[in-house]
Amino acid sequence: QVQLVESGGGVVQPGRSLRLSCAASGFTFSSYAMHWVRQAPGKGLEWVAVISYDGSNKYYADSVKGRFTISRDNSRDTLFLQLNSLRAEDTAVYYCARGAKAFPALFDPWGQGTLVTVSS
Amino acid sequence: EIVMTQSPATLSVSPGERATLSCRASQSISNSVAWYQQKPGQAPRLLIYGASIRATGIPARFSGSGSGTEFSLTISSLQSEDFAVYYCQQYNKWPPLTFGGGTRVEIK
Repeated sequence: QVQLVESGGGVVQPGRSLRLSCAASGFTFSSYAMHWVRQAPGKGLEWVAVISYDGSNKYYADSVKGRFTISRDNSRDTLFLQLNSLRAEDTAVYYCARGAKAFPALFDPWGQGTLVTVSS
Repeated sequence: EIVMTQSPATLSVSPGERATLSCRASQSISNSVAWYQQKPGQAPRLLIYGASIRATGIPARFSGSGSGTEFSLTISSLQSEDFAVYYCQQYNKWPPLTFGGGTRVEIK
């Protein structure tokens, strides 16, 4: 079955960096767009970034543009999110989600999430 | 950026009753709306896309409607497992992809 497993979250000081990973299995990873979506504690959902199936196109939310970088390794079926210059407001659970085949801007399914806490 | 506004923030419903959740877009988005369900401690799950198409495995008691700027999600007869937070999302004009603030469906 389709599975997405995030890792790499933790507690980090403001201004530092972190790299999140999302290991995919159960589907042809290289055929799908992939997204990162985050959720601050007790808050709603915020789309963060998307990468096309081949990595040639990437788009970001304004709130993370210039600080976060999405990438993928199709040989390892893995999605990444590099988080630089972290701020307190980046504290959230970060989910990776697969874009739907016919509608890449839909999220289906989602991983279980990894918590990033930015605090001194 | 298209702003999605959901109402009400919280809906109190008795099991077996009908629930109707609303979502409004700040500009016309045709039928490019999806609905997600999120239970406590879990990741969201896709319920509806194209405003009215149920995703794979979603029970028939969930239905969506609307077009343009006004959309709704109806749960015809609430089951215990349906008490959760529901989010709408637009995918007509992006980036960015945007979500509504969510509606919590709680037991009355």
